[in-house]
Amino acid sequence: DVHMTQSPSTLSASVGDRITITCRASQNVNRGLVWFQYKPGEAPKPLIYLASNLESGVPSRFSGSGSGTEFTLTISSLQPDDFSTYYCQQYNTYPLTFGGGTKVEIK
Amino acid sequence: QLRLQESGPGLVKPSETLSLTCTVSSGSINAHCWNWVRQPAGKGLEWIGRVSTSGSTNYNPSLKSRVTMSVDTSKNQFSLKLNSVTAADTAFYFCTRDKGDHYFDQWGQGTLVTVSS
Repeated sequence: DVHMTQSPSTLSASVGDRITITCRASQNVNRGLVWFQYKPGEAPKPLIYLASNLESGVPSRFSGSGSGTEFTLTISSLQPDDFSTYYCQQYNTYPLTFGGGTKVEIK
Repeated sequence: QLRLQESGPGLVKPSETLSLTCTVSSGSINAHCWNWVRQPAGKGLEWIGRVSTSGSTNYNPSLKSRVTMSVDTSKNQFSLKLNSVTAADTAFYFCTRDKGDHYFDQWGQGTLVTVSS
C-alpha cells in the first residue's frame, strides 16, 4: 500500500496567516492526489485535485503543488471558516489511501 | 448539486452483517463509480471499495474477504455489505462518487455504525 504521511498533525494559526501542510507518499503517485477539508457532521469537501487543480467554487486562497512523492497545500490568508481538518489522499494506486490529517486550530 | 445520503442501521451485533445504502439525488447514478470510505473514531480514513454502474468492483485487500458492493440503478442507490463484523468495524461510513478517475468529487455526510452486543 502507498503510505501517506501528512505533517504537521496539528497547526495553530491566526486569521490572516499563510499556512502550508505537507503530504509525502511512500512511492510515486504521479499527480494523483487530492486535498480535502473535513468538518464533523458535514460532507468532506474536495479543495484541490490532480495535486494542483482548484476545485470549482473553492476560494483562490487555497493552492496545491507537487508531484511524485511530495505535495503541499497552502492557504495564503487563513479565514475563520478555514479552521478545520485537512486530509490528503492518493488516487493513483489501489488501494486508495489517505494521510493522517492536519487539524488547523485557532492560535 | 448532486447529493449523497448514507442510510442503514446504526447498531450491528458482532459476527453479523453491516448493511448500508447510499442514495444519490439531484443527479444520475449512471456512468460514474461509487465508493465507500470509513473512519473509526480517533483513527484514519480507510477506503473500503468501489463499484461501477456496470457492476465491476475493486475492494481494499484488507477487507476484501468480507465486503460486497452493488448498485441498483433503478433506485439510484448503491450498497455496502460487510460481514462478520467486530468492534473494530465501528466507524463513520461515507459514500463517495468518482467519475472514473478515482477522484472523489462528491461525498456524503457519513453515518455512524457501532458494532456492539
